[in-house]
This record gives sequence, C-alpha cells and structure tokens, in this order.
Amino acid sequence: AQKVTQAQTEISVVEKEDVTLDCVYETRDTTYYLFWYKQPPSGELVFLIRRNSFDEQNEISGRYSWNFQKSTSSFNFTITASQVVDSAVYFCALSEEYNTDKLIFGTGTRLQVFP
Amino acid sequence: DADVTQTPRNRITKTGKRIMLECSQTKGHDRMYWYRQDPGLGLQLIYYSFDVKDINKGEISDGYSVSRQAQAKFSLSLESAIPNQTALYFCATRDRDTDTQYFGPGTRLTVL
Repeated sequence: AQKVTQAQTEISVVEKEDVTLDCVYETRDTTYYLFWYKQPPSGELVFLIRRNSFDEQNEISGRYSWNFQKSTSSFNFTITASQVVDSAVYFCALSEEYNTDKLIFGTGTRLQVFP
Repeated sequence: DADVTQTPRNRITKTGKRIMLECSQTKGHDRMYWYRQDPGLGLQLIYYSFDVKDINKGEISDGYSVSRQAQAKFSLSLESAIPNQTALYFCATRDRDTDTQYFGPGTRLTVL
C-alpha cells in the first residue's frame, strides 16, 4: 500500500538556523513521483518540487534543497538559513505511475521560525 | 491573476443547507480535483474529473456531488451540509506532462 509518513509534527527554530523536514514513503511501484508543497498561514497550497523515482539527483533551489534516497525511501527537505517567512506547514506527497490521479499526502510538518 | 481560483473563499452555513463551491482554472489542464483538508491531517480526495464527461469518485465522496461544466470549471456541491463537513476545501488541476497538481487558494467552509 502507498503511504507517506512525516514523523515530525512540529519543528521550531530560530531564524538563520538550518532545518530538515523528513519524509518517508512506501510504494510497490518502481515508477513514482514525489512532491513537496508549502501551506503558509494564509492557507493556500504552493507547489515546491516534483521528483520522479528515476532521478536521485539532489536538487537545490536557493535556500531550499531536497535529498532523495531510494535506499531508505526518503525524500527530505532542508531549508538553509531559515527565515520567518518560511513558517508554514509543509506536506510531502506521493503518486504512482499507474494511478497518478491519486496524490497521497503526509500529515504535514508545521515549521515555526522565530526571529 | 491566479491560475486556479475558488469561490467563495469563506462560507458559513447551517446544517441541512445546500452549498456549492466553485473552481475555475486558466491553466488549460484537462484533469481537475476536489480535496478536503481537516486540521492536522493531509488532504483527502473527494472527486476528480478527466473532462466534462468523465467524473470519478475519490476516497470520501459520500455526501458530495460534482459538476464539470466546462474544461475550465469544476464545482463541488454539498446537498445537505452537516457539521463534520466543516473543513478547508481545495480545487486542483493536473499538468499531464509533469503529473504535478496545482492547487487553488482554498475555501474555508463552516457548517453550524
């Protein structure tokens, strides 16, 4: 069965600290897609990144970086030098090749960045 | 302008009332989705549509219905609202090339 686990319910850091949000997934498919979304206090869901299962290259976008490791079924998200504007709930999600309409979400990690 | 819009953004209603939530998109995507989010939980899929003639139930379709009026419009109805349908509702579209879903701003619905 497909499942996404975000074990960290809430994380608090002080501005400029680095923080890593964990995501562990379960799937039987060999082809699948992983996503991260950000939900700021205003409530909307903002797409951050998509990664397919054949691309294990890590990705960096400004202060954001993602570490995909198939060996541990993890797709972790690191924010470097966190800022107050990074405060949000972050969701990891999974879809499988033959059922891409079903996007399976984790329960989210609430990140609070204090000044 | 936003690519995926939802109206209303907030709604308070009473038990037993019929409610319609509307979604429009300018992304040109065929596939559209309705989700609900409850506090502390991820999103659950209610219904999805491939085109105006193709509607599919999601995980939690009971108590909901949908209508795909055009490629760009997908509405969600609660025929007789009940308090446990109080939630944040999201509409989304999917890019078939990247299999990425893009979400609207959400509608916060409260059923008293």
